[in-house]
Amino acid sequence: SQQGEEDPQALSIQEGENATMNCSYKTSINNLQWYRQNSGRGLVHLILIRSNEREKHSGRLRVTLDTSKKSSSLLITASRAADTASYFCATESNSGGSNYKLTFGKGTLLTVNP
Amino acid sequence: KAGVTQTPRYLIKTRGQQVTLSCSPISGHRSVSWYQQTPGQGLQFLFEYFSETQRNKGNFPGRFSGRQFSNSRSEMNVSTLELGDSALYLCASSLVGDGNTIYFGEGSWLTVV
Repeated sequence: SQQGEEDPQALSIQEGENATMNCSYKTSINNLQWYRQNSGRGLVHLILIRSNEREKHSGRLRVTLDTSKKSSSLLITASRAADTASYFCATESNSGGSNYKLTFGKGTLLTVNP
Repeated sequence: KAGVTQTPRYLIKTRGQQVTLSCSPISGHRSVSWYQQTPGQGLQFLFEYFSETQRNKGNFPGRFSGRQFSNSRSEMNVSTLELGDSALYLCASSLVGDGNTIYFGEGSWLTVV
């Protein structure tokens, strides 16, 4: 079953603009990870945020986590055509048999137009 | 440092056959997990291994199995292949598999005809 739900399902922007993707989840988590996937390729890890953290930065990426709302957001600033990809959030929990695995959302397809 | 390596990258099998996929984790990583990705179901967890022991298993039929060797390398096997098994199979590794960053390989594309 899907834990995370990304929103929007698809996002199209112009190069240089910012892109914001949201993720909601259902159960308590240990951490939340964001991944990027180019068409037909593997998943590239972007950032991990733990349940006791509220915000993390990595280069042009900013991730926030609101455990009270069970939601996270990924902001990509000054987007580039090379950022075109699908973005997934994945949660890791240690309850209810959820140890040692990631539960993924369906992803947001980001298209950055040159 | 080499990433997660999966072989083969592409393969085509016939219904009823079986297939074995291989995964070499990042050096030093002892947790290896497998995921199936399809357009309809998205990314779904298959199983996770640590020190040759399966610690968790997803909701897949018994045709899907795996194992881990003492050097942390892992294999997964699918027997009696069905058309619906066509998917991208992704292997991932992490240091201990709980609370650490999980890194994925490029995947093995399986087509069942």
